[in-house]
Amino acid sequence: GQQLNQSPQSMFIQEGEDVSMNCTSSSIFNTWLWYKQEPGEGPVLLIALYKAGELTSNGRLTAQFGITRKDSFLNISASIPSDVGIYFCAGLLRSNTGKLIFGQGTTLQVKP
Amino acid sequence: DAGVTQSPTHLIKTRGQHVTLRCSPISGHKSVSWYQQVLGQGPQFIFQYYEKEERGRGNFPDRFSARQFPNYSSELNVNALLLGDSALYLCASSLEPVSNQPQHFGDGTRLSIL
Repeated sequence: GQQLNQSPQSMFIQEGEDVSMNCTSSSIFNTWLWYKQEPGEGPVLLIALYKAGELTSNGRLTAQFGITRKDSFLNISASIPSDVGIYFCAGLLRSNTGKLIFGQGTTLQVKP
Repeated sequence: DAGVTQSPTHLIKTRGQHVTLRCSPISGHKSVSWYQQVLGQGPQFIFQYYEKEERGRGNFPDRFSARQFPNYSSELNVNALLLGDSALYLCASSLEPVSNQPQHFGDGTRLSIL
């Protein structure tokens, strides 16, 4: 089946550093979504991307929909301790389906 | 405004039993999807319902079934539980099942099979 390859698998950074993670696939996606999940909670939507090349920001977070429609990245600037969590990319292959395909997640730890 | 609500939050069952999980979507959302998240992995799609009809199904056995009610709430049923069914079951809702309507998740039901 379709897969999203998300990297890196985990990151341990110092507070204040910038973070970058990405997702790639061999398939073309119509929509890319980035979620954050904390222990005991469901994924929380951070950014949604709908057009190839689209660059969208949400506070210190910036994400882009790759021009080939096969990849996306998420950047976090000036990380803070509350950024800790698991970040998932997710994509939709066709416009009329709700079958989100998720990456394996990037675990982020921030050292104060 | 209330987000997606799921019940129960935790559940312990034994092999062979069946379970029913419940989900109430965000007010105004008509589409509900179910996902299974095994520890250490991303969620895996199980079902999507819209206007009480199944719109999509993932690679899960027939032991898994679901339905959506006129008020757009939904139930996920799993029969003949196996140890491998232990997971976090997530419900997500969206206005409609189209790509420009992002899915919002509840906090899930943690199902443990003994």
